[in-house]
Amino acid sequence: GIQVEQSPPDLILQEGANSTLRCNFSDSVNNLQWFHQNPWGQLINLFYIPSGTKQNGRLSATTVATERYSLLYISSSQTTDSGVYFCQAGTALIFGKGTTLSVSS
Amino acid sequence: GAGVSQSPSNKVTEKGKDVELRCDPISGHTALYWYRQSLGQGLEFLIYFQGNSAPDKSGLPSDRFSAERTGGSVSTLTIQRTQQEDSAVYLCASSLVGGAKNIQYFGAGTRLSVL
Repeated sequence: GIQVEQSPPDLILQEGANSTLRCNFSDSVNNLQWFHQNPWGQLINLFYIPSGTKQNGRLSATTVATERYSLLYISSSQTTDSGVYFCQAGTALIFGKGTTLSVSS
Repeated sequence: GAGVSQSPSNKVTEKGKDVELRCDPISGHTALYWYRQSLGQGLEFLIYFQGNSAPDKSGLPSDRFSAERTGGSVSTLTIQRTQQEDSAVYLCASSLVGGAKNIQYFGAGTRLSVL
């Protein structure tokens, strides 16, 4: 089945810094979603992005389907961005292991 | 309701007992998903319902796990003869279907502890 790998596993930032999270997937997909899990465990969808680029405020995402990767950009990070970021790929709904982001003030 | 509702929020049970977990999806969402999240295994897909189609059960870890969705709305995940390795947070999500409509909305989860 499809493999989904995320990097880095952990990221520590000062408030205001920018970051890039990566999601590699092993097969072509027609489903690629990014989620944020806050410190209380709630999962929130950030982007549905099987290809192309989308932006929502300080967050943007790009998926290059032909090269089987997706990037999530966080600009001007805030403490509320802390949590775990997951990507999910494919019709098998496979999640990566996530990137744990800690933003300090 | 406004969001996906799961109950109970916490469940403690003894090994060998059966448990039922409930999910009430967003009104009008035809797709419903069950996942579980544990420290060792991360986020795992369990089962997917879409409209009146046969559910995709490919993620269920054993025949002790089953789920049903009545009337295309509320779903119940049943775990029979619970084992300690079943301890996890069980998450439900719902979505519309079709391209960007596939965006999944998650409930707060049920934390299951098997003693």
